Amino acid sequence: QQPVQSPQAVILREGEDAVINCSSSKALYSVHWYRQKHGEAPVFLMILLKGGEQKGHDKISASFNEKKQQSSLYLTASQLSYSGTYFCGTLPGAGSYQLTFGKGTKLSVIP
Amino acid sequence: DAGVIQSPRHEVTEMGQEVTLRCKPISGHDYLFWYRQTMMRGLELLIYFNNNVPIDDSGMPEDRFSAKMPNASFSTLKIQPSEPRDSAVYFCASSLKVGGEQYFGPGTRLTVT
Repeated sequence: QQPVQSPQAVILREGEDAVINCSSSKALYSVHWYRQKHGEAPVFLMILLKGGEQKGHDKISASFNEKKQQSSLYLTASQLSYSGTYFCGTLPGAGSYQLTFGKGTKLSVIP
Repeated sequence: DAGVIQSPRHEVTEMGQEVTLRCKPISGHDYLFWYRQTMMRGLELLIYFNNNVPIDDSGMPEDRFSAKMPNASFSTLKIQPSEPRDSAVYFCASSLKVGGEQYFGPGTRLTVT
């Protein structure tokens, strides 16, 4: 089952914060986050594992609520370079190979 | 490392023609994935390989699609015959370990007229 992302699109001014959510109807083992800029390939951001801690690098962080099968991606003090489409991908089990991606959230950061 | 390499980057073909997309994964990565991306359906997994062996091809749309991985450094995705609805961006990705981060190639933009 494809995870559901919200919002579908968001426009921010530089310096503002945003939260992108990813929900699944199935139990999850891990959630992966990727960012794709227009005309480019998706680029890995981070993985959150069941039972793991909140992760982050720079001003992008994420959490994983395994009871609710939800993950949230937090972008603080957004920069122009954060613009792109953010995808979450989910794995149901520890030995799973097959990432199922959400439809993406388009983030536009404007000056 | 050069990253995942795909060719061609763009392909325009007529309906009914055979199309072959190529991928070279990152050296040492045991997992290779083929994805298709469209506006309507998003990023869909078509097939993946582990150590050159196809593990799950349930995402392949129909028999017109086939994929091979003859060795650890090369994979192909073939569409025969191609149809306009096959128009999409096809990505190849590789991964070092099961469930690990995937490194995507630049993609092949396929247009079938």
